[in-house]
Amino acid sequence: GAGVSQSPSNKVTEKGKDVELRCDPISGHTALYWYRQRLGQGLEFLIYFQGNSAPDKSGLPSDRFSAERTGESVSTLTIQRTQQEDSAVYLCASSFGTRQPSYEQYFGPGTRLTVT
Amino acid sequence: DQQVKQNSPSLSVQEGRISILNCDYTNSMFDYFLWYKKYPAEGPTFLISISSIKDKNEDGRFTVFLNKSAKHLSLHIVPSQPGDSAVYFCAASEVMFGNEKLTFGTGTRLTIIP
Repeated sequence: GAGVSQSPSNKVTEKGKDVELRCDPISGHTALYWYRQRLGQGLEFLIYFQGNSAPDKSGLPSDRFSAERTGESVSTLTIQRTQQEDSAVYLCASSFGTRQPSYEQYFGPGTRLTVT
Repeated sequence: DQQVKQNSPSLSVQEGRISILNCDYTNSMFDYFLWYKKYPAEGPTFLISISSIKDKNEDGRFTVFLNKSAKHLSLHIVPSQPGDSAVYFCAASEVMFGNEKLTFGTGTRLTIIP
C-alpha cells in the first residue's frame, strides 16, 4: 500500500516568509509525528498527534511553529517568519499508535527547507 | 542532554562479515527501542524493534540485543552486504507510558566494503 507522502519535496524561501509543509500518513494510522533533521544532527521530535487527543507540542522550538491535523488524515506544519536556523529536512511519520500492538513509526521522504 | 547516544559516527566492515552497531541510553523510562536505516535524500526506514521485556529480537540478517542493566543495545547485521551501506539510527520511546515520540541517536554511518 501507499506509504507516508510529504509535499513539497524541496522548498526554498526567503527569511521572514511563512511556509506550510504537508504530510499524508498511511491510511489507518491514528498517530502522526513531525520531526526535523538539521545538517549533521540526529532527528529531533517536534509534535505528535494521536486520534482526538490534544497534540503533544513539547518539541516545537518556538511559537513560530504550529501544526494541525484533520481527523486522522492530512497534517500541515506551518513555520511563520522563517529564520535561517529553520533550514532542515522536516520528516513526517505515522503509526498505529499505542492502542495497537505495533508501535513502529513509518517515515515519509521529508521536505528539505532552505531559508535564504 | 542526549538521552540516546551512538558514540561511533562511522563504521566500515568487509562484505560478508558481521556489522555491530551500538547504542546507549540514559532514560530508564524507555521501554521500546527501534533501529532505522537511512539512505541520502530518503526518510528513515524501520528495520527492527525490541520491547524492554525481551533481550533479543531477530529478523533475517538483523538481530537486536538489549541489555537493560547496562542501558545498552546493539544491532548485528550478518552477513553484511553492500546494500547495507547507510546511516543507522537508534531510537527509543516510552510506549507503556503513552509517550510514543521517538528520541533518536545521532546515527552511525555504515560502509560495507566489497
